[in-house]
Amino acid sequence: GAGVSQTPSNKVTEKGKYVELRCDPISGHTALYWYRQSLGQGPEFLIYFQGTGAADDSGLPNDRFFAVRPEGSVSTLKIQRTERGDSAVYLCASSSRDSPYNEQFFGPGTRLTVL
Amino acid sequence: GQSLEQPSEVTAVEGAIVQINCTYQTSGFYGLSWYQQHDGGAPTFLSYNALDGLEETGRFSSFLSRSDSYGYLLLQELQMKDSASYFCAVRGNTGKLIFGQGTTLQVKP
Repeated sequence: GAGVSQTPSNKVTEKGKYVELRCDPISGHTALYWYRQSLGQGPEFLIYFQGTGAADDSGLPNDRFFAVRPEGSVSTLKIQRTERGDSAVYLCASSSRDSPYNEQFFGPGTRLTVL
Repeated sequence: GQSLEQPSEVTAVEGAIVQINCTYQTSGFYGLSWYQQHDGGAPTFLSYNALDGLEETGRFSSFLSRSDSYGYLLLQELQMKDSASYFCAVRGNTGKLIFGQGTTLQVKP
């Protein structure tokens, strides 16, 4: 079956602009996670959805970042007034509630570049 | 706070065995996962330990000692395709993963 998909694969924007990053999780996966990864670093947790609700948004760096998952499937990460420091690869992952190993399936990521 | 430490780089030859260590300090611990990431690729799940001991999956094994806040990933019969970054990650109570900085493994012929 299809894996996690993310669009766009690359996004270049100017400082101060607004961006939206989309994630399509594996069908049937109720848990969805957003991470971001800077060069040479491990992924950094941003937010976790269980169904439609954000169950843990403790990783969002500030109020410029917001994410939604209105129907419990597709999720959109929204970044307002982008800054150069937001440049990173944004990864989405999904997992099944039934997974005994909490195995998270990652998408290919969106590489965001803020000029 | 939460922190994980793992070596930044490891080099080994084809056919050898390599061990990547991970120590962690976390406020809540629900398990230790290992992920592999090739350059430009997505992290992929390798192994998970919730309890102390050794878990074996083919050429890869993972070990956990909760009392020592320590784990390791053991890769046997190394192949060139194993050259990648390896991340240990602590599972939090919501299932979120807190990742280490990663270990770059270079396998030489």
